[in-house]
Amino acid sequence: DAGVIQSPRHEVTEMGQEVTLRCKPISGHNSLFWYRQTMMRGLELLIYFNNNVPIDDSGMPEDRFSAKMPNASFSTLKIQPSEPRDSAVYFCASARRGKWSYEQYFGPGTRLTVT
Amino acid sequence: QKEVEQNSGPLSVPEGAIASLNCTYSDRGSQSFFWYRQYSGKSPELIMFIYSNGDKEDGRFTAQLNKASQYVSLLIRDSQPSDSATYLCAVQGAQKLVFGQGTRLTINP
Repeated sequence: DAGVIQSPRHEVTEMGQEVTLRCKPISGHNSLFWYRQTMMRGLELLIYFNNNVPIDDSGMPEDRFSAKMPNASFSTLKIQPSEPRDSAVYFCASARRGKWSYEQYFGPGTRLTVT
Repeated sequence: QKEVEQNSGPLSVPEGAIASLNCTYSDRGSQSFFWYRQYSGKSPELIMFIYSNGDKEDGRFTAQLNKASQYVSLLIRDSQPSDSATYLCAVQGAQKLVFGQGTRLTINP
C-alpha cells in the first residue's frame, strides 16, 4: 500500500509569496493531521481533520495559515503571505480512528524555505 | 510542566548493549502511547504502541507502560548503529497525539 504522499518535497519561496502544500492520506484513513517541525519548537500539531471536517485548528499560528480537506483523499495547507519564520518541515499524517486509539503514519514531509 | 517530557540526550550506547529511553506524561487520563523513530532528515516512523500496563515486545524493541507512575519507556536490545536516531514519545490526548521533544540516541560501534 502507498503511504502518505506529500508534495512538493522541497519548496523555496520569497517572503510574501503564497505557498500551498499538498497531502494525500493513506486510503481508508479517516483522520488527517498537519504538523510543523523545527529545531527550536519540535513537532507541533497545526490542525487535524476527522472525516474531512476540521476538528481543532488551535495550533495554526496565524490567519496567514489555512487548511482544507475537500475530500477523503486530498488536503492542502496554505500560507499567504509567507514569512521567513515559516521556514520548517511540514508533515502530513493520517490515521484510521479506532475504538481505543489510532496510530498515525507520517508522510515524507515538505521542507519549506522562505527567503 | 510540559505534557510529555523526554530527556533530550544525546544518549550514547555501545553497540550490542541495551538502550533505555524514558518518557513521562502529565495527563493521567491518557490511554494510548506511541514511540516513533526519526532519522535525520526523514519523517517520524511508528515503531511501537502500547495501551495496557506492562510490557509489550516486538523483536528487539520492548515498550513498558506504568500508568500509575505516568511513565512509558522503550528498550532496545542488542543495539545496532542503525538504531541511531531521535526517538519521539507520543501520548494520545483527546483525539490527537502530544509529542515529546525527542531523545537523540547514538549507538557507538
